[in-house]
Amino acid sequence: AQKVTQAQTEISVVEKEDVTLDCVYETRDTTYYLFWYKQPPSGELVFLIRRNSFDEQNEISGRYSWNFQKSTSSFNFTITASQVVDSAVYFCALSELTQGGSEKLVFGKGTKLTVNP
Amino acid sequence: DAGITQSPRHKVTETGTPVTLRCHQTENHRYMYWYRQDPGHGLRLIHYSYGVKDTDKGEVSDGYSVSRSKTEDFLLTLESATSSQTSVYFCAIKPLGSGSSPLHFGNGTRLTVT
Repeated sequence: AQKVTQAQTEISVVEKEDVTLDCVYETRDTTYYLFWYKQPPSGELVFLIRRNSFDEQNEISGRYSWNFQKSTSSFNFTITASQVVDSAVYFCALSELTQGGSEKLVFGKGTKLTVNP
Repeated sequence: DAGITQSPRHKVTETGTPVTLRCHQTENHRYMYWYRQDPGHGLRLIHYSYGVKDTDKGEVSDGYSVSRSKTEDFLLTLESATSSQTSVYFCAIKPLGSGSSPLHFGNGTRLTVT
């Protein structure tokens, strides 16, 4: 079965510091997708990025960047020059095909990031 | 906004009572999901649906049942609520698209079982 491990339960940084959130996954599928979601203190779940297993290019979106490495089964997320508004719980997730041919996401336990002013 | 409405948003109920949570979508998506979120556990899948009257269990389905009699509504029922079912429940839909499209989540239902 698929598994996602986010070993960092909580991280606390000071504003403007760079911070990396780790995500390690396990899967037997050759084709799969990885996701990151953000959950701010208001509670909603916000989709950040999707990456398929064939695309190992790093991605950058403003202050956010993602490093996907199949060799180490990792999909890490870096926030550069963190801001207080980045304070949230961040979830990494992995797609899993079901027997019926549908699909579901398996989530890690999340990393709570606190950015202090 | 993916057009997902969860109701109620908050509920307090007593142990042993039945509870039904509703997820309503406005965009006719085929796939719908119920997750629960608990501290230290992240999000765990309870049940999901891949069409009207087509549902299947997730990893934490014990004590829960679901129904989907029409495309837009996916109901989650706790037949006899227990304190261990105190949680935040999220409904999600999965739009069709190339590859694996991301899930879009509702705003959650906070359920407290006393």
